[in-house]
Amino acid sequence: GEDVEQSLFLSVREGDSSVINCTYTDSSSTYLYWYKQEPGAGLQLLTYIFSNMDMKQDQRLTVLLNKKDKHLSLRIADTQTGDSAIYFCAALGTGFQKLVFGTGTRLLVSP
Amino acid sequence: DGGITQSPKYLFRKEGQNVTLSCEQNLNHDAMYWYRQDPGQGLRLIYYSQIVNDFQKGDIAEGYSVSREKKESFPLTVTSAQKNPTAFYLCASIPTSRGAGNTIYFGEGSWLTVV
Repeated sequence: GEDVEQSLFLSVREGDSSVINCTYTDSSSTYLYWYKQEPGAGLQLLTYIFSNMDMKQDQRLTVLLNKKDKHLSLRIADTQTGDSAIYFCAALGTGFQKLVFGTGTRLLVSP
Repeated sequence: DGGITQSPKYLFRKEGQNVTLSCEQNLNHDAMYWYRQDPGQGLRLIYYSQIVNDFQKGDIAEGYSVSREKKESFPLTVTSAQKNPTAFYLCASIPTSRGAGNTIYFGEGSWLTVV
């Protein structure tokens, strides 16, 4: 079945770029999502990309999709302390529409 | 306004008892999902359903059961067979019909504590 993997932790300085990586196993995944979760809060959709796209940019966020390697990344430009949170990627498969989340990457931004 | 409603928000259960968590959506979405989130961890898929009267096991289905008798409802029963049921449970839905968009909608979650 679908498996989605992320590195557990990333630490950057304020103003630097952050790159959070995700790999998935189901090559037929149609949509891939990035969510942000702050402590004690729910999941906030940041962006998503459809599988026929290679890149999507939305203000400070850039999503890159490498379908051959089944690799998804989220780049946050000019990272701020308010970006400190856990970031989850998720992949939606075809067929029975299985939606699987990664384990989350904890981003810590230091001043 | 359309959305997903989960209830109850907080629930205490004695060991050995079954408990049912409600998830209702008025978004006319086809696919619905149940996840479990433990402190400091990600969302793990329990069950999911693409259409009425059909559902599939997720990665951690043991000790749980679901039904999908109506499109808008997808209740989750946490049975006494679930070894470690204390967790935060999250329901989600997405539209799957063509052109309907792809945004995942989440309920506010249910905190289950077994005492």
